[in-house]
Amino acid sequence: GDSVTQMEGPVTLSEEAFLTINCTYTATGYPSLFWYVQYPGEGLQLLLKATKADDKGSNKGFEATYRKETTSFHLEKGSVQVSDSAVYFCARSGGSNYKLTFGKGTLLTVNP
Amino acid sequence: DGGITQSPKYLFRKEGQNVTLSCEQNLNHDAMYWYRQDPGQGLRLIYYSQIVNDFQKGDIAEGYSVSREKKESFPLTVTSAQKNPTAFYLCASRASDSPSYGYTFGSGTRLTVV
Repeated sequence: GDSVTQMEGPVTLSEEAFLTINCTYTATGYPSLFWYVQYPGEGLQLLLKATKADDKGSNKGFEATYRKETTSFHLEKGSVQVSDSAVYFCARSGGSNYKLTFGKGTLLTVNP
Repeated sequence: DGGITQSPKYLFRKEGQNVTLSCEQNLNHDAMYWYRQDPGQGLRLIYYSQIVNDFQKGDIAEGYSVSREKKESFPLTVTSAQKNPTAFYLCASRASDSPSYGYTFGSGTRLTVV
C-alpha cells in the first residue's frame, strides 16, 4: 500500500543552520506530495505542496522538490529560526479516494 | 473566516463513559476525516466521510463511531469499548475529490481518561 517514510527525529539545530528533513514515498500512481507543520498543542498546517514531478513547493523559506526518479520530497530551509521549532509531517495523496498518507513526523528544535 | 472548529479543546472522560468530540467546518468541503495522534506514532485514520450520510472505517475504527447528517458536521463518539482513548484527536476536511488538494485541519481535542 501507499506509505511515506521520513527521517526520525528529533532534530536539533542552532539558529541560522541549514535544515534538511528527508522524505520518501511509495511510487504507486501519480501522487501529490505535501509538507505539514504542527506547532505544540495545535493542529496541522499546510506548509507546501507539489502536484507533479519536478515541481518545487515553497513557503516561508522552506522548499521541497518532487523527485520522481528517487521518490523523494525532502524539506529544506537555508537558515532556520527558533520559531521554526515544530513537528513536520510529509504526506502523499493516493488511493481511490485520495486520502492522505502521513509519515510519522519529525520533531525539530531550534536553539538560539 | 472559513475554517474547522473542534470542541472542546480539552476533554476528560471517566472509565465506562461515552464522549462525543465535535467537528464543524464552514468551508463547504465534501470530505471529512478523523485522526488520532499519539506520541511517536504519527497520525492514524479513524473514520472518514466523502459525502453526507456516508462514512467509512479507517485503520483504527474499533471503539469509535461517527455520523454525517450534515455537510458541515462530523462528530466522533469515543465509546467505552475504546480501551485506550487518551490521545490528541484531529479533524480534517478536503475541498475536492482531487489528489492535488490537501487537508485543512482543526486545532484538535485532547482527550484524557481519568
